[in-house]
Amino acid sequence: GDSVTQMEGPVTLSEEAFLTINCTYTATGYPSLFWYVQYPGEGLQLLLKATKADDKGSNKGFEATYRKETTSFHLEKGSVQVSDSAVYFCALSDRKGAQKLVFGQGTRLTINP
Amino acid sequence: NAGVTQTPKFRILKIGQSMTLQCTQDMNHNYMYWYRQDPGMGLKLIYYSVGAGITDKGEVPNGYNVSRSTTEDFPLRLELAAPSQTSVYFCASSYGQGWVNTEAFFGQGTRLTVV
Repeated sequence: GDSVTQMEGPVTLSEEAFLTINCTYTATGYPSLFWYVQYPGEGLQLLLKATKADDKGSNKGFEATYRKETTSFHLEKGSVQVSDSAVYFCALSDRKGAQKLVFGQGTRLTINP
Repeated sequence: NAGVTQTPKFRILKIGQSMTLQCTQDMNHNYMYWYRQDPGMGLKLIYYSVGAGITDKGEVPNGYNVSRSTTEDFPLRLELAAPSQTSVYFCASSYGQGWVNTEAFFGQGTRLTVV
């Protein structure tokens, strides 16, 4: 079945550092790809998405590019802030049927001032 | 706009007890989902529904039941609670039509402990 593998955490960085969280996927079809973020005590929120190969999703300074050739969707940000501390989940969804999400295990990110 | 609302936020159950986790959404979404999140793991799909009266099993359905009598509500029932069901439960909803793939909106979660 479909699966998502994320870079293991936790990740700790200093403010203004460059961030990369790796994500690779296995899917039989042509999925849509997502990054969700979970702030402490809250539910998941969509951070960005890409629906086809070479698409770049972006939001709040975060970016990820759908790479079909390497089956990857790595999350990047050029300069992180303390407020970016959260758990980040990579996920995929088959675009037909019920659009069920398959999640990676999550990466806890802590940014120190 | 309330979005997806889950109740309760926290609950402690004894082994063998039953309970229902409530979920309601006010966005007129046709798709609804229940996921569980175990420590250090991603979310796993328990059950989902593509519309009122239609439900189906996800990856980890054992020990749970659902119903979808209205578009808005999608309760999750635990009949005989077991320690393995200690987890955080998330309800989500989205709109789907053909190949259109829309954002899933999540509730704030229910933290359940079975002792």
